[in-house]
Amino acid sequence: EAGVTQFPSHSVIEKGQTVTLRCDPISGHDNLYWYRRVMGKEIKFLLHFVKESKQDESGMPNNRFLAERTGGTYSTLKVQPAELEDSGVYFCASSPPGRAGNTIYFGEGSWLTVV
Amino acid sequence: TQLLEQSPQFLSIQEGENLTVYCNSSSVFSSLQWYRQEPGEGPVLLVTVVTGGEVKKLKRLTFQFGDARKDSSLHITAAQPGDTGLYLCAGARSNYQLIWGAGTKLIIKP
Repeated sequence: EAGVTQFPSHSVIEKGQTVTLRCDPISGHDNLYWYRRVMGKEIKFLLHFVKESKQDESGMPNNRFLAERTGGTYSTLKVQPAELEDSGVYFCASSPPGRAGNTIYFGEGSWLTVV
Repeated sequence: TQLLEQSPQFLSIQEGENLTVYCNSSSVFSSLQWYRQEPGEGPVLLVTVVTGGEVKKLKRLTFQFGDARKDSSLHITAAQPGDTGLYLCAGARSNYQLIWGAGTKLIIKP
């Protein structure tokens, strides 16, 4: 069974440009999460989808970040326009439907460098 | 403000030694999870502790959840070079959010 896959694995863009990160969760996982780790900081929650609905987006840093999950399958996270402080690794994760506490499976991350 | 303090941030010890990693918080969590992350990969769940005072063992790794569900520890007995990696604790809230510690980079020297 395929795990959580993320694309691209690495991206280098200039300040002011747009980047779109994609996440394909494990098949059948209704819950999809985005987390990120910026340099020197701990991993932080960005948002949580249940199927196509945003259940909790309290961690989104500002309106330059837009997450979507079309049809409840894959998800995209767009950063527009990118700023230097957006550099870091963006993790996508998914978990089966059901109560909180189910095992969450993480992708390998998308490393974003804004120069 | 970091809600989950993890220590030490870095630890380098000889093979065969014992070590303990701590995660402390002033907040109560519904559960506490420990992850291991290898370079270029995402975090992989090692264990989840749910009940205050709970102890779980995974071979040479012992995980404990504090009685008040605010702190946890990971103890490794007779560390091996294969234990080298980044260890992360994460506290779970009932709303699916994970609150993460900063991580402990562990190096076990042969």
